[in-house]
Amino acid sequence: AQTVTQSQPEMSVQEAETVTLSCTYDTSESNYYLFWYKQPPSRQMILVIRQEAYKQQNATENRFSVNFQKAAKSFSLKISDSQLGDTAMYFCAFMRPGANNLFFGTGTRLTVIP
Amino acid sequence: DAMVIQNPRYQVTQFGKPVTLSCSQTLNHNVMYWYQQKSSQAPKLLFHYYDKDFNNEADTPDNFQSRRPNTSFCFLDIRSPGLGDAAMYLCATSRGKLGNQETQYFGPGTRLLVL
Repeated sequence: AQTVTQSQPEMSVQEAETVTLSCTYDTSESNYYLFWYKQPPSRQMILVIRQEAYKQQNATENRFSVNFQKAAKSFSLKISDSQLGDTAMYFCAFMRPGANNLFFGTGTRLTVIP
Repeated sequence: DAMVIQNPRYQVTQFGKPVTLSCSQTLNHNVMYWYQQKSSQAPKLLFHYYDKDFNNEADTPDNFQSRRPNTSFCFLDIRSPGLGDAAMYLCATSRGKLGNQETQYFGPGTRLLVL
């Protein structure tokens, strides 16, 4: 069974600074998909970034980038130039190819401090 | 514009009294999902529909059922809610299977309270 671990239940960062959220996972698959989702307070969850395991290049979306270390089964999210609107719960998720369900980690609550 | 709509946002029910949660989508997506998210826990997939094909997760209790009468609507029925079923229930959609470069769109959730 796949497991996704987010070891940081809560984090905070000063506005305009950079923060890295960690995620590790366990799988015997060689190909899979990894995701970071953002769930702002009282709002719906949205996809932040996606990584395909067969791609060596780290995914980037504007201020959000990942550090994907396949051998270490690590998938961290870096948020640059943090903004107040980045305050949210962040979930790391794993999906096997051909499957249609995501395995989520327990989340990291990020607070951006003005 | 809202794309995945869940009503109501808050639902209170009594122990053992059947309750139905609603989800609708304006995206014309083929796939609809229901997740359960308990306090401070990760969302957990209960089941999903690919068009009319129902896919139940192996560990979803029989107490949870779902209906999808048409493309736009999907319902979550809890036949006899227990105190342990109090949670946020998230509906999500995707155009196709997630592995095919598809993105999942989530609704705002319905928070269920069981008294």
